[in-house]
Amino acid sequence: NAGVTQTPKFRVLKTGQSMTLLCAQDMNHEYMYWYRQDPGMGLRLIHYSVGEGTTAKGEVPDGYNVSRLKKQNFLLGLESAAPSQTSVYFCASSWQGNQETQYFGPGTRLLVL
Amino acid sequence: AQKVTQAQTEISVVEKEDVTLDCVYETRDTTYYLFWYKQPPSGELVFLIRRNSFDEQNEISGRYSWNFQKSTSSFNFTITASQVVDSAVYFCALSDRNSGYSTLTFGKGTMLLVSP
Repeated sequence: NAGVTQTPKFRVLKTGQSMTLLCAQDMNHEYMYWYRQDPGMGLRLIHYSVGEGTTAKGEVPDGYNVSRLKKQNFLLGLESAAPSQTSVYFCASSWQGNQETQYFGPGTRLLVL
Repeated sequence: AQKVTQAQTEISVVEKEDVTLDCVYETRDTTYYLFWYKQPPSGELVFLIRRNSFDEQNEISGRYSWNFQKSTSSFNFTITASQVVDSAVYFCALSDRNSGYSTLTFGKGTMLLVSP
């Protein structure tokens, strides 16, 4: 099992450009999450999904959209990137029967110039 | 709302010293879970431990030990005889179902630097 994978690993964007981060898990987990990590801030929840076709806002959702069209994938979109969105993005997933324990992907480094 | 405080931003020790990382949490739930994660310089998040609110027994795993005290809302992490490979950022996290679904709230992390 690959666990949780994230694509791409690193990306540089110019202000105003759009992009989509892909998170995939092969553990048949119902719940998936997107976090951002900024220096000195820990990880903060952006959006999460409790099942295919459902999404909900986390602590810092502004400027991001998400979609969960397939159970194994959770997409994070930036429609118009801003320098404030420079961060490391982590995806995670968890099983409905043990939703507290989240499995994390390796992270995506995003630099917005 | 839930909150996790790691008051120590950075700790520096010399190899073989013992070091304790502090974690204080706030939650309204009676059922919750506490976690510690390690983030080495390579950047990935490594799960270390999960503890539920009904289990106040301390836990030891090799050089690692955890002290959970509900009375003081603390879940401290001690590394005995630290090694250079322990150098990393350590995050404490709280999971509860205050919003109906389980979400993780992280502390800001403590950077541990172990020098030879």
